[in-house]
Amino acid sequence: GAGVSQSPSNKVTEKGKDVELRCDPISGHTALYWYRQSLGQGLEFLIYFQGNSAPDKSGLPSDRFSAERTGGSVSTLTIQRTQQEDSAVYLCASSLTGGAAEQYFGPGTRLTVT
Amino acid sequence: QKEVEQNSGPLSVPEGAIASLNCTYSDRVSQSFFWYRQYSGKSPELIMSIYSNGDKEDGRFTAQLNKASQYVSLLIRDSQPSDSATYLCAVTWSDTGRRALTFGSGTRLQVQP
Repeated sequence: GAGVSQSPSNKVTEKGKDVELRCDPISGHTALYWYRQSLGQGLEFLIYFQGNSAPDKSGLPSDRFSAERTGGSVSTLTIQRTQQEDSAVYLCASSLTGGAAEQYFGPGTRLTVT
Repeated sequence: QKEVEQNSGPLSVPEGAIASLNCTYSDRVSQSFFWYRQYSGKSPELIMSIYSNGDKEDGRFTAQLNKASQYVSLLIRDSQPSDSATYLCAVTWSDTGRRALTFGSGTRLQVQP
């Protein structure tokens, strides 16, 4: 079946602009996660959605970052007033349930802030 | 000390050999352990999950978990050049509601033809 999809695959933006990244999880998966991967920091957790529960935002690096998940499916990660240090690959993952369930990653969005 | 530690490598093995990848983790209430493979420029791909002490085998891959010693390992039998990639160890912690994976920095494996 279809895996996790993300769009765009690449995004180049100017410093100070806002960007929106989209994630479409595997059908039927109730949990959705955002991570980012950068050369200096490795893979780090950003935010977690599980069903109708309040999201776990504990990994968001600043208040410029926000995310929402509509209808328990598609999620959008928004970065406002982008900075050069936001340049990274943003990865979305989904799992059938929350907790310790196996997470499957999408192809990622490579964000470059110039 | 990082919560999940891996030797960055590269670990170089000849084709057909067994590759052994190791990961140690902090003394927290850990719950679940995962191995991901990541090819250059690609996203992580789940290889194995392991939840209890002992060995778990899947094809050429065997995951080994020893909670008392706080390590988890991945063995790749009959290594192939196509196995050359970075292998990421990941852990979920019970005290965070097991909501996110904490990753090691990865071990780069090179399989020489």
